Amino acid sequence: GAVVSQHPSRVICKSGTSVKIECRSLDFQATTMFWYRQFPKQSLMLMATSNEGSKATYEQGVEKDKFLINHASLTLSTLTVTSAHPEDSSFYICSARARGGAMTGELFFGEGSRLTVL
Amino acid sequence: AQTVTQSQPEMSVQEAETVTLSCTYDTSESNYYLFWYKQPPSRQMILVIRQEAYKQQNATENRFSVNFQKAAKSFSLKISDSQLGDTAMYFCAFLYGGSQGNLIFGKGTKLSVKP
Repeated sequence: GAVVSQHPSRVICKSGTSVKIECRSLDFQATTMFWYRQFPKQSLMLMATSNEGSKATYEQGVEKDKFLINHASLTLSTLTVTSAHPEDSSFYICSARARGGAMTGELFFGEGSRLTVL
Repeated sequence: AQTVTQSQPEMSVQEAETVTLSCTYDTSESNYYLFWYKQPPSRQMILVIRQEAYKQQNATENRFSVNFQKAAKSFSLKISDSQLGDTAMYFCAFLYGGSQGNLIFGKGTKLSVKP
């Protein structure tokens, strides 16, 4: 099946610094990638949708300037948490949709990244 | 607006028995996709089963099957012959906006399979 890889899986940073999380589709081209945030024991909340070569579409309430998303190629999207604060600590998950293919509508998920801001 | 409701925060089942997880949704769209995802302690989201709304036949994948009631907007997941490895959070998800749309998730049901 299609594989999506996220890196790093865990990151600890100091308050005020920026952190970049990468999401790569390893064996397929991803026309669209999605970024989710998951709080402990809660569901996934969509943060933004990114299409290759265009600006990301952010969900209501998500700060564009804090969560920078870049989808520079068909296999890579990055999420940068700028000037991170403790309240940004969370589990971030990406997913990708393949270009074409038989599995219409299916999204493939990365392993997630645990961000802890001290 | 689309909503997905999972009314069972937690459930437990004995190994080898059958359990059903419920999910209801609300939408004005006529064609859409529904999914059940499993999130084990590793946190990796794993697709369990999918259903296209235009298909009347209920989807099945080995021990997993769904009861899709389109008129009632209900999409329950049945797990037969439960195994210890089925212990996980299960999320019902609705894909809106066509096949290129976005997923909206329910709040999840924590399933524990007991030996």
